[in-house]
Amino acid sequence: DAKTTQPPSMDCAEGRAANLPCNHSTISGNEYVYWYRQIHSQGPQYIIHGLKNNETNEMASLIITEDRKSSTLILPHATLRDTAVYYCIVRVRNSGNTPLVFGKGTRLSVIA
Amino acid sequence: EAGVTQFPSHSVIEKGQTVTLRCDPISGHDNLYWYRRVMGKEIKFLLHFVKESKQDESGMPNNRFLAERTGGTYSTLKVQPAELEDSGVYFCASSPLDRDAIQYFGAGTRLSVL
Repeated sequence: DAKTTQPPSMDCAEGRAANLPCNHSTISGNEYVYWYRQIHSQGPQYIIHGLKNNETNEMASLIITEDRKSSTLILPHATLRDTAVYYCIVRVRNSGNTPLVFGKGTRLSVIA
Repeated sequence: EAGVTQFPSHSVIEKGQTVTLRCDPISGHDNLYWYRRVMGKEIKFLLHFVKESKQDESGMPNNRFLAERTGGTYSTLKVQPAELEDSGVYFCASSPLDRDAIQYFGAGTRLSVL
């Protein structure tokens, strides 16, 4: 079972920042937080991952709380193409490439 | 560089028939995974190949499902005989052997069993 809890849905106005929360209160010290998204009719797409420090790439930023029990994915300027289901996934570090465990995710709707 | 390719994109078959799904991973990726999403449920892991060997097949639902990866390149997932509950979207993902490697997914095959 997924070790994360996410709100089922969120709306965001186009051009504004989308902040997607994730709770992972039972995360272990050797587990990463990964974010993937699935746009309709496509396969899941990797966004970003982190261990304990905040991370940023060309797609998004990941903010992890100091106790690591929750995190927030930030899409700084959401566009209509960011409408998708976003998955927060906890995965053991150096796990030998174990499979991903998907939860229900958050359905983000970006509104014009 | 080509991504993960899955074929067909959509398959409609009748209950009791056989269907074979194919996945071509990214070139050089030794890890290959199969996942599926059935209607209204989460995406679930089916099995994991490392090269041509099955590393983990704990998610395979029953013996009607057979996955192969001969030669460690492309993989096939055969369902025989198909049942109504097998309907869903089947995803393939691949990654290199590096630790904590990112998995890259194909667009999926939508299987409809009537």
